[in-house]
Amino acid sequence: ELKVEQNPLFLSMQEGKNYTIYCNYSTTSDRLYWYRQDPGKSLESLFVLLSNGAVKQEGRLMASLDTKARLSTLHITAAVHDLSATYFCAVDIFRNSGYALNFGKGTSLLVTP
Amino acid sequence: GAVVSQHPSWVICKSGTSVKIECRSLDFQATTMFWYRQFPKQSLMLMATSNEGSKATYEQGVEKDKFLINHASLTLSTLTVTSAHPEDSSFYICSAPQLSGTSTDTQYFGPGTRLTVL
Repeated sequence: ELKVEQNPLFLSMQEGKNYTIYCNYSTTSDRLYWYRQDPGKSLESLFVLLSNGAVKQEGRLMASLDTKARLSTLHITAAVHDLSATYFCAVDIFRNSGYALNFGKGTSLLVTP
Repeated sequence: GAVVSQHPSWVICKSGTSVKIECRSLDFQATTMFWYRQFPKQSLMLMATSNEGSKATYEQGVEKDKFLINHASLTLSTLTVTSAHPEDSSFYICSAPQLSGTSTDTQYFGPGTRLTVL
C-alpha cells in the first residue's frame, strides 16, 4: 500500500522565519506534486517535481525531490501571512489509463505577525 | 491553460435524496477523470476512476451502488450520490489529466462541490 506521510501536520510560524515541510512516500515514484489549498477552495498546483534531484522555486517556496530517499521537502523562506494555507504533497498512482494522486494528510500552516 | 469545471459548486439536500455533480474538461478531452472526497480538516481521498466508454472503477471501501459515475462524453463525467445521508456530506473534487504522451501529463483539478446533507 502506497503511503504518503507529511510532517509536521500543523505549523505555526512567525513572519520572517524559515521552515521546511517534509514529505515521505513508501514506493518508487518519479513524480512528486505539491499543492496549496485555501479554506473552502480546491487545489492550487505549486510544483511538479519530475526527477531525482529536481529543485523548483517560486517566490518564497522551494521544493526538492530525492527519489532515492523517497523524500521531498517544501522550504519556506521569510514567511509572510499570505502563505497561510494547507499544503499537500502527492504521488502518482496508476489507475486504468491515467494517473490519479495519492495525497499526504496535509500541513496546515499559519503564519503569524 | 486547461480548465476543469464542476457544477454545482455547493448543494444542500435532504437525507434520502440523490444529488448529481458534474465535472467538465473545458478545453481538452479527458478519457479518464478522477473523483476525490475530502472531509473537513482531512486530506483528499481518491474515490473512483471515471472512464469514458466503460465502467468506473472504485477504490476499496467506496460503494459503487451509492456513488454512481457516468462518463458520458470525452469532456463530461457525473457523480451521483444516491440516497444521500449526513455522513456523505463532504467536499467532492474531480480531476482530469491532460495527456501529453510523455511523463509530463498535467493534472487539472475542478473547483470542488460542497455537499451538505441534512
